[in-house]
Amino acid sequence: SAVISQKPSRDICQRGTSLTIQCQVDSQVTMMFWYRQQPGQSLTLIATANQGSEATYESGFVIDKFPISRPNLTFSTLTVSNMSPEDSSIYLCSVQNKGHLSYNEQFFGPGTRLTVL
Amino acid sequence: AQSVTQLGSHVSVSEGALVLLRCNYSSSVPPYLFWYVQYPNQGLQLLLKYTSAATLVKGINGFEAEFKKSETSFHLTKPSAHMSDAAEYFCAVSGAGGYNKLIFGAGTRLAVHP
Repeated sequence: SAVISQKPSRDICQRGTSLTIQCQVDSQVTMMFWYRQQPGQSLTLIATANQGSEATYESGFVIDKFPISRPNLTFSTLTVSNMSPEDSSIYLCSVQNKGHLSYNEQFFGPGTRLTVL
Repeated sequence: AQSVTQLGSHVSVSEGALVLLRCNYSSSVPPYLFWYVQYPNQGLQLLLKYTSAATLVKGINGFEAEFKKSETSFHLTKPSAHMSDAAEYFCAVSGAGGYNKLIFGAGTRLAVHP
């Protein structure tokens, strides 16, 4: 499986500011995803990061609030814009490859723990 | 449409006892099913996956799960719990073929006491 790192691992931010989270993979992957995990909750998919095209957002998430970049096959960023305390969550990136042995499993980074004051 | 229901948000067992975490799914297409584990302050780790090759799937750390189509279930078991098994466990479903999103259950927190 791929080795995935995220920066920062945690941050405390003031409301109204923005934070960019980086996700780096040690090998080229086809699909990258961004999830939000609110305190004590399950994972909610924010968007699919497509290399060379716009990200695909899930219902309830918009590009102005969560702009995503995917400049190449090993890297993606998620920005949380104009933050409010309700944005306090763990943000996780994951990767998925397409191949004859791929069964849609995803491999996850360690997460970024964000607290907004 | 696909969905996952995990029965029991909290499960507590004694060390050495059987672990049983329940997962029921709904899918209009043949599913792929997964169990992930999340240790405190960490990301998710894949425990095991069902891909239609065999109904009884063995994973890491002594865990296994059985796919029962008639019951639309994919329960996770471990014969003997260890203190290090304390974590959050998530069941997830995906449609077979192509790129498909994972749909996660609400999670079950497993506590293991001496």
